[in-house]
Amino acid sequence: DTGVSQDPRHKITKRGQNVTFRCDPISEHNRLYWYRQTLGQGPEFLTYFQNEAQLEKSRLLSDRFSAERPKGSFSTLEIQRTEQGDSAMYLCASNENLGRGATEAFFGQGTRLTVV
Amino acid sequence: AQTVTQSQPEMSVQEAETVTLSCTYDTSENNYYLFWYKQPPSRQMILVIRQEAYKQQNATENRFSVNFQKAAKSFSLKISDSQLGDTAMYFCAFMNQGAQKLVFGQGTRLTINP
Repeated sequence: DTGVSQDPRHKITKRGQNVTFRCDPISEHNRLYWYRQTLGQGPEFLTYFQNEAQLEKSRLLSDRFSAERPKGSFSTLEIQRTEQGDSAMYLCASNENLGRGATEAFFGQGTRLTVV
Repeated sequence: AQTVTQSQPEMSVQEAETVTLSCTYDTSENNYYLFWYKQPPSRQMILVIRQEAYKQQNATENRFSVNFQKAAKSFSLKISDSQLGDTAMYFCAFMNQGAQKLVFGQGTRLTINP
């Protein structure tokens, strides 16, 4: 296993277009997280899944954002009608919920979105 | 809501020196975890060190150690014998025992000079 994988690494899109990002977590991890990181800031939580269930969504996640994790494996994050304010690095992370606590979160390299 | 504050936007030291990065946090919870993550330029974030709030002993990982002051809500990272490869953004992060998300600070950009 090579770790958390995100695709694409970079995406440039015109304002108003839809974009979709993919995250492949570490295979045995049942939890998957999406974070957004703007330049010079720390990552901000967007949403997370346990298996295929989306258990929490941040207020940052407007109705233009939707995330899925079909079959509890890979996840997609879609942004509809992109705005310039959506420009950021989108990070995916995964870990395993052991019941007595969660293991370390491993991060992917991120997808850098630029909306022009 | 929990908040994490890193008051040093940038730091720079010479190779082999010791450097301490500061972090304070605010929470009303008693059980939680604290983390330091390293984000090298154009590379993914990796965990440096982790501290459980119920443990009084400060965590150490080779050249990295923390000074955890629970009453003061302070969690600083000390890097001893700094190396060029330590150059990166460092983020302090908090997680409630019952919650699943990490709350990050703004980050400290650390540069190790040869």
